[in-house]
Amino acid sequence: NAGVTQTPKFQVLKTGQSMTLQCAQDMNHEYMSWYRQDPGMGLRLIHYSVGAGITDQGEVPNGYNVSRSTTEDFPLRLLSAAPSQTSVYFCASSRRQGLHGYTFGSGTRLTVV
Amino acid sequence: QQQVKQSPQSLIVQKGGISIINCAYENTAFDYFPWYQQFPGKGPALLIAIRPDVSEKKEGRFTISFNKSAKQFSLHIMDSQPGDSATYFCAASLANQAGTALIFGKGTTLSVSS
Repeated sequence: NAGVTQTPKFQVLKTGQSMTLQCAQDMNHEYMSWYRQDPGMGLRLIHYSVGAGITDQGEVPNGYNVSRSTTEDFPLRLLSAAPSQTSVYFCASSRRQGLHGYTFGSGTRLTVV
Repeated sequence: QQQVKQSPQSLIVQKGGISIINCAYENTAFDYFPWYQQFPGKGPALLIAIRPDVSEKKEGRFTISFNKSAKQFSLHIMDSQPGDSATYFCAASLANQAGTALIFGKGTTLSVSS
């Protein structure tokens, strides 16, 4: 199993550009989530999903869209990038709620200039 | 309002000592409390987790203590080693129809000196 795969690993965007951060998991996990990590702020939940077609907003959803058309994929879209979205983004997946916990990808470092 | 408060922000412990990290939460609907460990340049990895109906859970050198009435929980690392130097996050999980929302504390950077 590859686990949770995030692409790209690094990205530089200009203000106003749009892009999609890709996340794929091959563990047949139902739950998937997106987080952003900023210095001193911990990990903040952006969006999450329990399966295809079902998503919900987390703590900091503004400026981001998600959709879940398959169990494996959970892309995160930045509609119009802003410098405030400069961050490290993590995707995570979990088989089910419980003590198994979430498995995290290795992250995408995004810089918006 | 920060739902999960973590302290201290940083911690320096001598090799062989005990590292203690504390967290507090507000929402009594949280039903699962994991701790994650993160090394620089890596994603967080699950370390240990507990449900609120259990007061303590131990896995090797790592122990979670949980106080439901006080809405507090803590991570104890016994016999701390230089390899334990990392950032530790507590978290709390809330389940709904869309899945589980995992809310994190701001993290504690642990340095174990040899």
